[in-house]
Amino acid sequence: AQSVTQLDSHVSVSEGTPVLLRCNYSSSYSPSLFWYVQHPNKGLQLLLKYTSAATLVKGINGFEAEFKKSETSFHLTKPSAHMSDAAEYFCVASNQAGTALIFGKGTTLSVSS
Amino acid sequence: KAGVTQTPRYLIKTRGQQVTLSCSPISGHRSVSWYQQTPGQGLQFLFEYFSETQRNKGNFPGRFSGRQFSNSRSEMNVSTLELGDSALYLCASSLAGNTIYFGEGSWLTVV
Repeated sequence: AQSVTQLDSHVSVSEGTPVLLRCNYSSSYSPSLFWYVQHPNKGLQLLLKYTSAATLVKGINGFEAEFKKSETSFHLTKPSAHMSDAAEYFCVASNQAGTALIFGKGTTLSVSS
Repeated sequence: KAGVTQTPRYLIKTRGQQVTLSCSPISGHRSVSWYQQTPGQGLQFLFEYFSETQRNKGNFPGRFSGRQFSNSRSEMNVSTLELGDSALYLCASSLAGNTIYFGEGSWLTVV
């Protein structure tokens, strides 16, 4: 069975410092992986996706993630946090057929000034 | 290009009633999927439709059903509502096998 584990339920950073949101996956096949962000009372916005091309994926708003098969990880990073980055972040895998997404439990990112 | 549109955005229902939620996908997208988001269970897959056929179904009771029309618009229905059905219901659309885009969701409160 496929699963996604987000290692931290809550991450707090100061504005201007780096962000690291950790995600591990378990899959019997090479998965498509995504990071989505959800601001309060909003839907989900795609930050970036990995689909077996380059292992370092660049997304919107300065975020990037690196796919490491040996570690089964897909951690999300950003060099410098902004107040507007405060939100819920979801690491997501697609099933093999591409008909469903499997979500991690989410990581709440807080950014303080 | 319009995004995924869900209606209604907010609704309150009484236990035992039924509810229908509607989703209009991005123009040209033929795959529509539905997810339930609750604080306790997180985001869970309900079902996915492509060209009016249900291709995949999550682990939800039969009270949860859906359908897709020839214009790719989709509806989901929940019958005999329970308090635990209170959730944000998210619809998403995609071109076959491509990036999935989400709507802003329908907030359902069951009292």
